[in-house]
Amino acid sequence: GAVVSQHPSRVICKSGTSVKIECRSLDFQATTMFWYRQFPKQSLMLMATSNEGSKATYEQGVEKDKFLINHASLTLSTLTVTSAHPEDSSFYICSARLGTDTQYFGPGTRLTVL
Amino acid sequence: SQQGEEDPQALSIQEGENATMNCSYKTSINNLQWYRQNSGRGLVHLILIRSNEREKHSGRLRVTLDTSKKSSSLLITASRAADTASYFCATAAYTGANSKLTFGKGITLSVRP
Repeated sequence: GAVVSQHPSRVICKSGTSVKIECRSLDFQATTMFWYRQFPKQSLMLMATSNEGSKATYEQGVEKDKFLINHASLTLSTLTVTSAHPEDSSFYICSARLGTDTQYFGPGTRLTVL
Repeated sequence: SQQGEEDPQALSIQEGENATMNCSYKTSINNLQWYRQNSGRGLVHLILIRSNEREKHSGRLRVTLDTSKKSSSLLITASRAADTASYFCATAAYTGANSKLTFGKGITLSVRP
């Protein structure tokens, strides 16, 4: 099956610093990737839709200046959490869409902001 | 906003028993998908059922969809300890050329050996 990787898997940073998370589709090209956030024991909340070569579409309530998304190639999307604060600590998961319906998910990135 | 609502929220069964999980949703959909998530890991796609389908099978999985009741069920037969995980339903609706998934809150399944 299609494989999506995320890097890093775990990151701990100090408050005020920026953190970049990479999402790669390893064996297919993905015009569209998605970024989700998941709090402990809760569901996935879609943050934004990332389209290659164009600006990301953010969901209501998600600050675009806080969560910068870049989708510069058909296999790579990045999420940068700028000026991170403890409340940004969460599990961030990306997915890449193959075809019209199926999304393949990365293994997730655990962000802890001290 | 969340669309899918699964029930029960938690389910504990003995290995070998069947596990039935339900999902209800509110708006029109193009398809409904079920995913599994092991603790602290990413999601694994299990099965997709389209809005014009009523039932689908994949190995030990059986999913049904009732669009009139806006509900779906996932049946795992002959459960194994390895089936222990969280299960999410996700509905897909097309917005223009794109489709995006809206996830339910999830069901925690524990299969006792």
